[in-house]
Amino acid sequence: SQKIEQNSEALNIQEGKTATLTCNYTNYSPAYLQWYRQDPGRGPVFLLLIRENEKEKRKERLKVTFDTTLKQSLFHITASQPADSATYLCALDSGGYSTLTFGKGTMLLVSP
Amino acid sequence: GAVVSQHPSRVICKSGTSVKIECRSLDFQATTMFWYRQFPKQSLMLMATSNEGSKATYEQGVEKDKFLINHASLTLSTLTVTSAHPEDSSFYICSARPRGLPDTQYFGPGTRLTVL
Repeated sequence: SQKIEQNSEALNIQEGKTATLTCNYTNYSPAYLQWYRQDPGRGPVFLLLIRENEKEKRKERLKVTFDTTLKQSLFHITASQPADSATYLCALDSGGYSTLTFGKGTMLLVSP
Repeated sequence: GAVVSQHPSRVICKSGTSVKIECRSLDFQATTMFWYRQFPKQSLMLMATSNEGSKATYEQGVEKDKFLINHASLTLSTLTVTSAHPEDSSFYICSARPRGLPDTQYFGPGTRLTVL
């Protein structure tokens, strides 16, 4: 089964800076990788999907990269705002079963 | 946009009772719905996958007789936690996959279950 690693320590940054979150996986290369935002006591909200043949995807202030050689995805939020404070989850397709495997997530705290 | 609702949002019950949680896709048809469980500071763990009109597929270690799933229509799936115990206390989240979008899941807001 897939093992997904996200930094368990919270990332604290100042407003206006770029936040970079990391997602590493250890086994098979997924067909796609997704990033979600989760606020306390709420369900995940989909942000971006990147496929194995894509190196980079952007959406407004968000950017995701996917390096299948390093088995790593980086998630960037530029010009971060306090409202971006949340837990960000990385999810990978589960190898052809049409299900998702989630990482534990990394909490991002953006201070004014 | 695609909206998935869950009801109730919070439920407190006594040990030994059963609790039913509903998951609805409000503005799209969901051929597949998923049920997850999340413990504090842990990842979402897939419990089962349900397809409309057929039996749910449970993940390893999930008791199908304890967590009854019914996917009666293309917009409704229910999870019933039978004979609930305190260790079943958790955050239960459903998601729905729209017809024709195999890589997409829209998540519900979750249900906090507390078993006393």
